[in-house]
Amino acid sequence: SAVISQKPSRDICQRGTSLTIQCQVDSQVTMMFWYRQQPGQSLTLIATANQGSEATYESGFVIDKFPISRPNLTFSTLTVSNMSPEDSSIYLCSVRWGDGYTFGSGTRLTVV
Amino acid sequence: GQQLNQSPQSMFIQEGEDVSMNCTSSSIFNTWLWYKQDPGEGPVLLIALYKAGELTSNGRLTAQFGITRKDSFLNISASIPSDVGIYFCAGRPGDKLVFGAGTILRVKS
Repeated sequence: SAVISQKPSRDICQRGTSLTIQCQVDSQVTMMFWYRQQPGQSLTLIATANQGSEATYESGFVIDKFPISRPNLTFSTLTVSNMSPEDSSIYLCSVRWGDGYTFGSGTRLTVV
Repeated sequence: GQQLNQSPQSMFIQEGEDVSMNCTSSSIFNTWLWYKQDPGEGPVLLIALYKAGELTSNGRLTAQFGITRKDSFLNISASIPSDVGIYFCAGRPGDKLVFGAGTILRVKS
């Protein structure tokens, strides 16, 4: 399966600032996904990022708050903009690999 | 939207016991996946199911894709301490995954 490197692994940020999370895959993949996992909760899909097109956002998530880049088939970034304490979560990237889905180890974000 | 109901929410295990959890959906899925998440890590795929009625094993883990395509279960036999963690079911109606709320496995003291 594909191996995903996600950076940073954790960060503590001031409210009102932005954080960009990077996701690097060791193989070329068509579909990449970004998820949010709030404390003690399950995973919620933020958006689907395909190379060469704009990301598709799920209900409740908007591009201004979570801009995504997908410059090539092995890399994507998610920015959490104008952060508030409610944005404190684990953010995970995932790729579709064959019929399965592989996840990065996540970025644990704390907003103070 | 599509929802998955996963149960139980949490359970305590004693080493050697068998464990069972399940997921039901209001919609039909093409694929059922079971993941385990350890603290500080992303979910790791345990078992993938692609056909209604399919029964698949991975070591001490067994999972089945329900005939109606709206449910799945995961069994863990002869549990060991490292089975502790959070288990998620996920269904794939299209290209995206929908996750259950998770089952937390803890060790009975």
